[in-house]
Amino acid sequence: GEDVEQSLFLSVREGDSSVINCTYTDSSSTYLYWYKQEPGAGLQLLTYIFSNMDMKQDQRLTVLLNKKDKHLSLRIADTQTGDSAIYFCAETSGGSTLGRLYFGRGTQLTVWP
Amino acid sequence: GAVVSQHPSWVICKSGTSVKIECRSLDFQATTMFWYRQFPKQSLMLMATSNEGSKATYEQGVEKDKFLINHASLTLSTLTVTSAHPEDSSFYICSASSGQGAYEQYFGPGTRLTVT
Repeated sequence: GEDVEQSLFLSVREGDSSVINCTYTDSSSTYLYWYKQEPGAGLQLLTYIFSNMDMKQDQRLTVLLNKKDKHLSLRIADTQTGDSAIYFCAETSGGSTLGRLYFGRGTQLTVWP
Repeated sequence: GAVVSQHPSWVICKSGTSVKIECRSLDFQATTMFWYRQFPKQSLMLMATSNEGSKATYEQGVEKDKFLINHASLTLSTLTVTSAHPEDSSFYICSASSGQGAYEQYFGPGTRLTVT
């Protein structure tokens, strides 16, 4: 099956930028996503990028996609303590069940004041 | 934005009993709904995909007779855990897609199931 890999932990100081990285194996990925999960809660869609794009920016969030290396990153500018959560990378490909997402294990982001 | 609710948010039940979890799309019609299971500090494991009015498609290793899924309308899907055992204790999350350019999938807040 498709593999999505993420580092498990990241710690940053408040005000710094955070960069969360993700790699995937499915070369037919069409959409790639970043979700945020706070303790005891469901997943919140933060942003997504279509596979023919290199970059997408939305306020403090910047997504970079290197399709050749199958590498996706999420940069959070001016990280705040409220950004502390688990961030999941996910992808879907047109060849699989419509909408079926493959998730990474999640990166626990801790923001220190 | 699109909102998905789940009910209950948490439930405790005894071994051998059945528990039903509801997933509702509140402001859009969900052509497709997904049910996930999440273990502590783990990723989400897709259990099944359901399309309104048809039988759910279960992932390999998921017992369809134990985890009954019904997608009776475009806004409601239910997951029933039958004859629950302690190993079924987990966090169950549903998601919904309108099916229009299915690139946006919205998640419910999850249901914490504890089987004693």
